[in-house]
Amino acid sequence: KAGVTQTPRYLIKTRGQQVTLSCSPISGHRSVSWYQQTPGQGLQFLFEYFSETQRNKGNFPGRFSGRQFSNSRSEMNVSTLELGDSALYLCASSSDPPETQYFGPGTRLLVL
Amino acid sequence: AQSVSQHNHHVILSEAASLELGCNYSYGGTVNLFWYVQYPGQHLQLLLKYFSGDPLVKGIKGFEAEFIKSKFSFNLRKPSVQWSDTAEYFCAVRGGGSYIPTFGRGTSLIVHP
Repeated sequence: KAGVTQTPRYLIKTRGQQVTLSCSPISGHRSVSWYQQTPGQGLQFLFEYFSETQRNKGNFPGRFSGRQFSNSRSEMNVSTLELGDSALYLCASSSDPPETQYFGPGTRLLVL
Repeated sequence: AQSVSQHNHHVILSEAASLELGCNYSYGGTVNLFWYVQYPGQHLQLLLKYFSGDPLVKGIKGFEAEFIKSKFSFNLRKPSVQWSDTAEYFCAVRGGGSYIPTFGRGTSLIVHP
């Protein structure tokens, strides 16, 4: 099976802009989770989608949003970018009921 | 709220040295436990996991971890590290009916050849 894929791999934006990241889960996996990874903070959970519905949400501001499509692919959007949003954004997929999460390579976002 | 502590933020070892990375969690109920590894420039990969049964779990690349329920710990061990083990290691805990694991802040391991 192909692994979790994320596009784009690298992104440079300026403050105030918005960005959309994409994630394609492993075939058959219906749960998709998003994490923000920064040095020293580890992985911070953003949200989880299952069957096109947000099932869990972390403690991030409303500027961070996501959605899931009928084919389980997911997108996350960050509006009004801030410098502190610079991070590696990871997507993970799992089966349901969730067993183990499998991670994609991430999208590295740099906000200038 | 559930929390996961990885006490060693940076570890530097020479090849052939033994490794033990600590992981403690705060949740007292039934838990699922994971160790992930992130090699430089690569994505997070599962090293090993514990759901139930034998508390000594063996994973890939010679790693093992022991679940000690009374100590709320799930420490990662390897008897003899190699230069290729240089990576960041993350402990994760899932419990309380939540599908979402909580991750520790990670431990950066550097192995000198």
